[in-house]
Amino acid sequence: ILNVEQSPQSLHVQEGDSTNFTCSFPSSNFYALHWYRWETAKSPEALFVMTLNGDEKKKGRISATLNTKEGYSYLYIKGSQPEDSATYLCAFQYNFNKFYFGSGTKLNVKP
Amino acid sequence: DGGITQSPKYLFRKEGQNVTLSCEQNLNHDAMYWYRQDPGQGLRLIYYSQIVNDFQKGDIAEGYSVSREKKESFPLTVTSAQKNPTAFYLCASKGTNEKLFFGSGTQLSVL
Repeated sequence: ILNVEQSPQSLHVQEGDSTNFTCSFPSSNFYALHWYRWETAKSPEALFVMTLNGDEKKKGRISATLNTKEGYSYLYIKGSQPEDSATYLCAFQYNFNKFYFGSGTKLNVKP
Repeated sequence: DGGITQSPKYLFRKEGQNVTLSCEQNLNHDAMYWYRQDPGQGLRLIYYSQIVNDFQKGDIAEGYSVSREKKESFPLTVTSAQKNPTAFYLCASKGTNEKLFFGSGTQLSVL
């Protein structure tokens, strides 16, 4: 089982703050890196799938970067809103069918 | 609405009993997965199936069994051989862009 680390484990910010999380993964046998957003009592939903070193993806106020050579990805949220409160999961895709998940970063945005 | 449906939401198992968790999808995806989540840990792969009538063990398959008789359905049986079955179980399927689509999960507890 491959090790995927996410930090921090949890984060409490005020509305309007910008924040970022880290996902560390093995730098070999890279297929893709995924970010998912998981709201309480709902299903995880895909934010980004990144495949190339240097990839940057953006969706509204959320963006992500990828460094496959050193094995890390950052997820940024600009101007956090209470509706951004969720657990953010990253998943290292090792091959066509194997995904290794981090334990997530739980974000709480206070109004 | 297209998606993944898991049932039941909550399930209780008596000692020595086998229980089956249902997972149905109408997304026409070939690949389907079962994950287990324990507190503070990332999702871990139990079984996956790339096509009908084919499935492969994941990292923690012991004490579980699956079938894939139809494209839409991928039920998971937690057998009496699984000594620590209390966990949250998530089913997923994979789209053509590698994104995973998840159900809302089943919480299994032991009576």
